[in-house]
Amino acid sequence: GEDVEQSLFLSVREGDSSVINCTYTDSSSTYLYWYKQEPGAGLQLLTYIFSNMDMKQDQRLTVLLNKKDKHLSLRIADTQTGDSAIYFCAESMGIYNQGGKLIFGQGTELSVKP
Amino acid sequence: KAGVTQTPRYLIKTRGQQVTLSCSPISGHRSVSWYQQTPGQGLQFLFEYFSETQRNKGNFPGRFSGRQFSNSRSEMNVSTLELGDSALYLCASRADPGGGSPLHFGNGTRLTVT
Repeated sequence: GEDVEQSLFLSVREGDSSVINCTYTDSSSTYLYWYKQEPGAGLQLLTYIFSNMDMKQDQRLTVLLNKKDKHLSLRIADTQTGDSAIYFCAESMGIYNQGGKLIFGQGTELSVKP
Repeated sequence: KAGVTQTPRYLIKTRGQQVTLSCSPISGHRSVSWYQQTPGQGLQFLFEYFSETQRNKGNFPGRFSGRQFSNSRSEMNVSTLELGDSALYLCASRADPGGGSPLHFGNGTRLTVT
């Protein structure tokens, strides 16, 4: 079945790197996403990766995908207090009728201490 | 470009009533999905619409319904409200239903059922 798992909390110091991890179960997933949610707000798309890639970099964000282990990670370099939020990992089948249906993890609450 | 717009932001209803939530997608986006977010169940997919047709449906009772208009705007309706329907309802749009098109979320409608 479809399932996405994330650790619930992560605390880092400002300026350090943060690494948020995610595992998924569905080997047919074609796209994997990272979203950020701040208090009282919706989900902000941070980045996404196609399953035939193993890495994607976008400014301070680096996504690593290990398809064999079904493991996805998001690294935030030089973490700032403004990065404090809940981060969600999500998977999608990616095929025509399923692409709008994302399976989300429980979210990782990132706390950045000054 | 304006983002996904959801109205209203907050709603308070009584058990047994019905409610309609509205979503305007990003200009040019033709696919709209709806999600329910609760502390207990997390983010769960409700349904997706494209070209005024429901393309996919999540595991929710028939009290939850939706529709899409010719201008891609969407509404969802919940009838005979229950206390457990209290949640943040998120709408997301994407350019087309193809797998490579990521979801962009609005800020949600916070529904409280008393």
